[in-house]
Amino acid sequence: NAGVMQNPRHLVRRRGQEARLRCSPMKGHSHVYWYRQLPEEGLKFMVYLQKENIIDESGMPKERFSAEFPKEGPSILRIQQVVRGDSAAYFCASSRWTSGSSSDTQYFGPGTRLTVL
Amino acid sequence: GQQLNQSPQSMFIQEGEDVSMNCTSSSIFNTWLWYKQDPGEGPVLLIALYKAGELTSNGRLTAQFGITRKDSFLNISASIPSDVGIYFCAGQGTSGSRLTFGEGTQLTVNP
Repeated sequence: NAGVMQNPRHLVRRRGQEARLRCSPMKGHSHVYWYRQLPEEGLKFMVYLQKENIIDESGMPKERFSAEFPKEGPSILRIQQVVRGDSAAYFCASSRWTSGSSSDTQYFGPGTRLTVL
Repeated sequence: GQQLNQSPQSMFIQEGEDVSMNCTSSSIFNTWLWYKQDPGEGPVLLIALYKAGELTSNGRLTAQFGITRKDSFLNISASIPSDVGIYFCAGQGTSGSRLTFGEGTQLTVNP
């Protein structure tokens, strides 16, 4: 009964490199959310995906950031040409919410801590 | 965009004391949630509130969903050292949508 899994837990990149963060939702969950947390701050929403669809990407920076949740495999958050300001903890959450249900719960993974040198 | 104001930012208490923290919003939320985050980990759900006015308990934790749907509080009774961590409130507009988080309350419990 594994929870939300994220890897890697820690990622170090130099400026200009690419960062790929992976998230495997809980079994039976088809909704994935990505959040970013800067030091000493709360989590900020980035993007909400269902299988093969982006539902809400209003929190994603317009450039360099992209996310996908393919039919098979984990969800990927991709950051191209990383800059020092991208250093943060990135959390993935999943839920099994279906249309018509009155409640849902988002369960969080342990996060990926990205450090850009 | 929606913002949550969470207070206090930090609390230093003695073991055995009760704790109270709250969140307010300028917008209405249909769901309020309280999470706890330990260092180096992701947030763990403590309590979820789905109806305005709802009062829900989970062990030593009690939370209420404000009647106006713009606020919530969390109480922890008889605190213990393992209560140490950061507590976040989160609001959700509609089922399945994004969560909006408060800035967190850092709780320190002295034995």
